[in-house]
Amino acid sequence: NAGVTQTPKFRILKIGQSMTLQCTQDMNHNYMYWYRQDPGMGLKLIYYSVGAGITDKGEVPNGYNVSRSTTEDFPLRLELAAPSQTSVYFCASSKTPGQGWSEAFFGQGTRLTVV
Amino acid sequence: DAKTTQPPSMDCAEGRAANLPCNHSTISGNEYVYWYRQIHSQGPQYIIHGLKNNETNEMASLIITEDRKSSTLILPHATLRDTAVYYCIVRGDRYNQGGKLIFGQGTELSVKP
Repeated sequence: NAGVTQTPKFRILKIGQSMTLQCTQDMNHNYMYWYRQDPGMGLKLIYYSVGAGITDKGEVPNGYNVSRSTTEDFPLRLELAAPSQTSVYFCASSKTPGQGWSEAFFGQGTRLTVV
Repeated sequence: DAKTTQPPSMDCAEGRAANLPCNHSTISGNEYVYWYRQIHSQGPQYIIHGLKNNETNEMASLIITEDRKSSTLILPHATLRDTAVYYCIVRGDRYNQGGKLIFGQGTELSVKP
């Protein structure tokens, strides 16, 4: 099992450019999450999904979009990159909470700089 | 979501027990207490979780008060590699806030030789 895989690991974007951060998991988890972490701060939830075809906003969704067409993949889209989106982005997945062992597994992060 | 309050930082001597407190006074009956840690800027790592009873695994012990309004994570013999930010999180099931995992600011634990 690879667990949660994020690509790319690093990226520099120019203001106004668009990109997709990829996240895939091979554990057949229903729940998937996207977080951002600014320097010296805790993780903030951007979007999450409780299963294929279902997504919902987290704490800081503005400027981002997500889709969940398969159980395995949960891409995060930045449409018009802004310097405020410079951050480390983490993807995570878990089994359905409340149904047995459901701790979240995290990817290693994508470090994004917008200049 | 029930909020958690943790001290921003703590120190611990290597080899001694590290006791990390967490206050979650607004926790509801079907919400679990989870602990994660983040070493440097890596992805957070699961440590332990519990509902009512105390829990122990190979990494740590979790002590939850009888009224469930607070908990303590115990690392029995802290090592330098336990230096990290520790997050206490209250998480509902899928019928309670959709099972979201909301992080607070955490406690920065420094284990010193």
